Amino acid sequence: GAGVSQSPSNKVTEKGKDVELRCDPISGHTALYWYRQSLGQGLEFLIYFQGNSAPDKSGLPSDRFSAERTGGSVSTLTIQRTQQEDSAVYLCASSFAGVSTGELFFGEGSRLTVL
Amino acid sequence: AQTVTQSQPEMSVQEAETVTLSCTYDTSESDYYLFWYKQPPSRQMILVIRQEAYKQQNATENRFSVNFQKAAKSFSLKISDSQLGDAAMYFCAYRSAERGGGSNYKLTFGKGTLLTVNP
Repeated sequence: GAGVSQSPSNKVTEKGKDVELRCDPISGHTALYWYRQSLGQGLEFLIYFQGNSAPDKSGLPSDRFSAERTGGSVSTLTIQRTQQEDSAVYLCASSFAGVSTGELFFGEGSRLTVL
Repeated sequence: AQTVTQSQPEMSVQEAETVTLSCTYDTSESDYYLFWYKQPPSRQMILVIRQEAYKQQNATENRFSVNFQKAAKSFSLKISDSQLGDAAMYFCAYRSAERGGGSNYKLTFGKGTLLTVNP
C-alpha cells in the first residue's frame, strides 16, 4: 500500500481480555517498529523487526505483550489479559533498514481503551 | 542510553508570527540523526524536518528551520509565518547513525510540545 496501515483504528475491551493489533507496513520496507503513546507521554519503543533477524524486544513492558511478523511483512501486536494501564495509542512504523535518511514512516495508530 | 527533552509542554503563537520549539538531547555518540515530527489530531506522525549530525548547516524546509547546536546538544525548531494548519503536537526525536545492532535504529522521542495557533 501507499502508507503504513493499522487496524483496528479504535478498540475498546474489558479488563482481562486479549487484544490483537495489526500493522501492514509500506511495501519493500524491511524494518518495522511498534511504539506506545500514553496520554501526555512521548512515544515509548516496544519492539523492532528487521528482516529475518531476531527482533529487538527490549521495550516490551511485560510478558503479556508479544509481537510477531509473518513473511517479513504484516505484524501483529498481542496484549494478553489486558489491564487499564495498557490503554494507549499503539503506533506502527516502517522503514528501509539502515537507510541513510533514518526516517520512519508511521501509521495512524490503534487507540486501545481498556475498561 | 540516549534521552530527548522537550521543556515546553505547550506553546502558542499568533497566526503569521514565528515560534521556536526547544529540544535538548543527551548522547555519547558522534554520528546521529535528529528529527522533528508533527502529530495532528489524526494521530499520524509526519516528518517535518531532519538533521544529520555531521552537517554543520542547519536544515530548512520551507517555513520550518532548525537551530542545531551540536556542542550544546540542542536542536530547536523555528516555524515562520505560522498557519492554522501548523497546530499539532510536535515531537523531537533522536536516532543513532552508528552501526552495531537493531536497537540502534530505533527513534527515541521527547514528550512533545503542543502548539496552538491563534487566528
